[in-house]
Amino acid sequence: DTAVSQTPKYLVTQMGNDKSIKCEQNLGHDTMYWYKQDSKKFLKIMFSYNNKELIINETVPNRFSPKSPDKAHLNLHINSLELGDSAVYFCASSRSMGLAGGEDEQFFGPGTRLTVL
Amino acid sequence: DAKTTQPNSMESNEEEPVHLPCNHSTISGTDYIHWYRQLPSQGPEYVIHGLTSNVNNRMASLAIAEDRKSSTLILHRATLRDAAVYYCILTTGGYQKVTFGIGTKLQVIP
Repeated sequence: DTAVSQTPKYLVTQMGNDKSIKCEQNLGHDTMYWYKQDSKKFLKIMFSYNNKELIINETVPNRFSPKSPDKAHLNLHINSLELGDSAVYFCASSRSMGLAGGEDEQFFGPGTRLTVL
Repeated sequence: DAKTTQPNSMESNEEEPVHLPCNHSTISGTDYIHWYRQLPSQGPEYVIHGLTSNVNNRMASLAIAEDRKSSTLILHRATLRDAAVYYCILTTGGYQKVTFGIGTKLQVIP
């Protein structure tokens, strides 16, 4: 069974469109994340979501909005897509946020390659 | 957040040990040192993490300098499946501000 799954694997769309990427984890984890990996291969966290509490990275444009219908799902909705949004987006999960120390390991999904034309 | 510095690339012969270095001279006392790796066209995969003491698991060993300003990931016997980009990152209180750098691309030569 896939621990963290994402759909779709590839997404090609036009500028200005709105799109969503879905993520599901079957690990029973409390915390989920979205990362963006750009063309230079830097992987940067966008959001983390823990038990209905969303923690937003201040550098992420508000065109990006995560939505979590339940603890096992964290979807990423992107409005008014721009060329610069082209990247690979990874979803991840961890048992907890690691705030108490111990820093739980993250499990990553296979990624969604978004291409904006 | 404290930054890490890694060599862009390294090579190793198959079945030989590999030592992947990471410098983190501005590490704070509460920062954990994590290593992840990313195989081609896949998401990152956890390898190991530690705080002060050296750590071993089934995948690798992590050697942490006494002053914690550097660490070394040790793969005891490199296999072709270990060819990947290895990332060294620091976290304090979760992953909220984490950025993975470009990492070290490990090439394993048969």
